[in-house]
Amino acid sequence: GNSVTQMEGPVTLSEEAFLTINCTYTATGYPSLFWYVQYPGEGLQLLLKATKADDKGSNKGFEATYRKETTSFHLEKGSVQVSDSAVYFCALGSNYQLIWGAGTKLIIKP
Amino acid sequence: GAGVSQSPSNKVTEKGKDVELRCDPISGHTALYWYRQSLGQGLEFLIYFQGNSAPDKSGLPSDRFSAERTGGSVSTLTIQRTQQEDSAVYLCAAEPPGYNEQFFGPGTRLTVL
Repeated sequence: GNSVTQMEGPVTLSEEAFLTINCTYTATGYPSLFWYVQYPGEGLQLLLKATKADDKGSNKGFEATYRKETTSFHLEKGSVQVSDSAVYFCALGSNYQLIWGAGTKLIIKP
Repeated sequence: GAGVSQSPSNKVTEKGKDVELRCDPISGHTALYWYRQSLGQGLEFLIYFQGNSAPDKSGLPSDRFSAERTGGSVSTLTIQRTQQEDSAVYLCAAEPPGYNEQFFGPGTRLTVL
């Protein structure tokens, strides 16, 4: 069946460090891929998405490329800020459902 | 409204009691989802409503769980005879037609003592 695996947290970085949060998936067909973010005390919100292989989603300095050959959708940011501290979820869209990773807590220290 | 709202934001109940959780989606968002998020876990799909179609209830963990959506708008998730393992954050999400993005409410944190 479909599944999503993302790196365990928490991930702790200093401000301006480079960020990678790994996400790999197992799926039949050609799913859409998503990164959602949950800031402290707030609801989940879509960060970026990609709907087909080789698409790159980007938003707020974050990027992720849909890699079919490695079944991956790793999240990257070149220079993180304290305000990026949050929990990040990778998800796979299968029909109308979203299949979720367990989430990765990101802590950015000034 | 401007976004998906849920009530209550927090609910503490005793084991064996029934609870009702409410979701008010964005007007015009025809699809509505309920998820459960347990501590340290990803989101677990519970139920999906789309327009007037029969809901997909395949994610409901037991027959103690039920949900309805009245008039294609407000939805209520009911948990009967609550158990401690029901403690979690219950999230509602709505999706406009053809948009491929779910908009989430802030969730209801349920604690069963």
